[in-house]
Formats: sequence, C-alpha cells, structure tokens
Amino acid sequence: DAGVIQSPRHEVTEMGQEVTLRCKPISGHNSLFWYRQTMMRGLELLIYFNNNVPIDDSGMPEDRFSAKMPNASFSTLKIQPSEPRDSAVYFCASSLWQWGPTDTQYFGPGTRLTVL
Amino acid sequence: AQKITQTQPGMFVQEKEAVTLDCTYDTSDPSYGLFWYKQPSSGEMIFLIYQGSYDQQNATEGRYSLNFQKARKSANLVISASQLGDSAMYFCAMRENTGNQFYFGTGTSLTVIP
Repeated sequence: DAGVIQSPRHEVTEMGQEVTLRCKPISGHNSLFWYRQTMMRGLELLIYFNNNVPIDDSGMPEDRFSAKMPNASFSTLKIQPSEPRDSAVYFCASSLWQWGPTDTQYFGPGTRLTVL
Repeated sequence: AQKITQTQPGMFVQEKEAVTLDCTYDTSDPSYGLFWYKQPSSGEMIFLIYQGSYDQQNATEGRYSLNFQKARKSANLVISASQLGDSAMYFCAMRENTGNQFYFGTGTSLTVIP
C-alpha cells in the first residue's frame, strides 16, 4: 500500500517567492495534518483537517501561510512570500479518524525547504 | 504546561543491551492514546507502538515495549537487544479523546554503540 506521498522532496527558493507543498494522504484516511520541523522549535503542528475541513489552524505562523484540502486525496500548503526563517522540513501526516489504535498518524517523507 | 515531556535529550546504549526512553504526559482527559515514533537520520517519521489509556496490559511490538504507568502518567519506551539501526531520534506523542490533535515531545536522540 502506498503511504503518504509528498512533493517535492526538496525545494530551494529565493526569498519572496511563492512555495507550494503537496500531499496525498493514505487512501481511506479522513484526517490530514501539516507539521513543520526545525532544530530550534522541534515538531510543530501547523494545521489539520478532518473530512477535508480545516479544524485547527492556530499553528499557522502568519498570513503568509495557507493550506487547502480540496478533496480527500490532496492537500497543499502554500507560503507566499517565503522568507529564510521558513526553511524547515515540512511533514504531512494522515490518519483514520476514529478512536483507537487505528488513529495512528502516518507521516510522509517530508519536504525539505530552503529559502535563500 | 507541556503535554508531553521527554527529559533525555540524548542516550547511549551498548549494542544488544536494553534501553529505556522516558516519557511523561499531562492530561485531564480520562481517555487518551500514547504513541512512539522513530526518526532515523534519513528523516522519515516511523510509527513504533501505541498504548491506549484503558489498555490493561503494556503494549509490545517486537523488540519494543511500552512501560505504561498510568498513575505516574508515564509511558516509557523500552527497546530490548539494541541494534545499530536503532540509532535515531525517538518521539513520544499523545492524542486526547477530546480532539484529533497529536502532542509531540521534544524527542530523545539514541545512539547505539557497537
């Protein structure tokens, strides 16, 4: 079975440019999470969706960040304009939202973003 | 207050020995789940083991076991017979029943010495 798919795996861009990260969750999962990981701040939850609806976006750093989930099999995280401090590894994770062991979050391989 | 606390930034263990990675949690929700993930140097986050708050027995998955002490609010990961491939960051996480959000600890870096 395919796991969570993220693209691109690596992105290098210049300050001020728009960056779009993509995620395809595991088929059948109805919750999707976007995380950011840096050495300084560790793993931070940015936003998560249940059944394609954004539930909590309190972790989104500022208005430069936006996320969408137009359907159950696709989500994007957009940064515009990008800044050097946005450099991090961005993870997408998905889970089947029902209480119990099946609520485990499964992570994608991550996108390593470098903003010059 | 931190939901998940991992007090060991780094740990060393001799190959073939057992090692315990500490995790304490804070919640007032009577129903919750506890998870451990492994992040090797390649970067991916790998799910290892799960423990439910109502589970009577400690969870086990191969060489991984979870030492769950509910009254102390601790969920330590025990890795038996350590292997060189166990060298990685290990994250403890919790999900409360009141939401779908996971709370992650800051992680413990484990190095297995040959």
